[in-house]
Amino acid sequence: GQSLEQPSEVTAVEGAIVQINCTYQTSGFYGLSWYQQHDGGAPTFLSYNGLDGLEETGRFSSFLSRSDSYGYLLLQELQMKDSASYFCAFEDTGRRALTFGSGTRLQVQP
Amino acid sequence: NAGVTQTPKFRVLKTGQSMTLLCAQDMNHEYMYWYRQDPGMGLRLIHYSVGEGTTAKGEVPDGYNVSRLKKQNFLLGLESAAPSQTSVYFCATNPYGRTDSNQPQHFGDGTRLSIL
Repeated sequence: GQSLEQPSEVTAVEGAIVQINCTYQTSGFYGLSWYQQHDGGAPTFLSYNGLDGLEETGRFSSFLSRSDSYGYLLLQELQMKDSASYFCAFEDTGRRALTFGSGTRLQVQP
Repeated sequence: NAGVTQTPKFRVLKTGQSMTLLCAQDMNHEYMYWYRQDPGMGLRLIHYSVGEGTTAKGEVPDGYNVSRLKKQNFLLGLESAAPSQTSVYFCATNPYGRTDSNQPQHFGDGTRLSIL
């Protein structure tokens, strides 16, 4: 089957670096996406990895290793506003729709 | 979120009632999706559409019906609401279904539905 696993919660302090891991199972997919969702809000796109390696977008970076079925989102210089839930997701080759992990709730403390 | 509008934003129903959720987009996207999100969980795909006049089942389609009579609108119907359908419903769109950095999914603000 298809699935993505993430830690349920991560806590970090303002200014620090945090890594949110995502392991997945699928028979084939195009790439790994990351979405951010604040409480009561809609998911918003953060990053995408179509190829293995690191993608950097400002304070956020995302990594993918297809051979390890593993990816992560790296958030640097954490700010209070980064407190949110983060979801990894992939689009499998059989269906043009995203399958989401259950999400990681990040709490940034002062 | 500019471009994807969901109506209504909140609704309380009694068991057995029916209702329709509307998703409207002005981005001319071909693909549209309906997800549900339960507390502490990710989004699960209910139904999706790859273009006007088409629909397809997702992971959790039972108890829901959809229609895409016009390209810009995707309707989600509950014929006989059940408490298990209490959830937050999100609509999303994508230009051509292939998600990447240039074509992420765009989400509406959600509809919070409670069924008593």
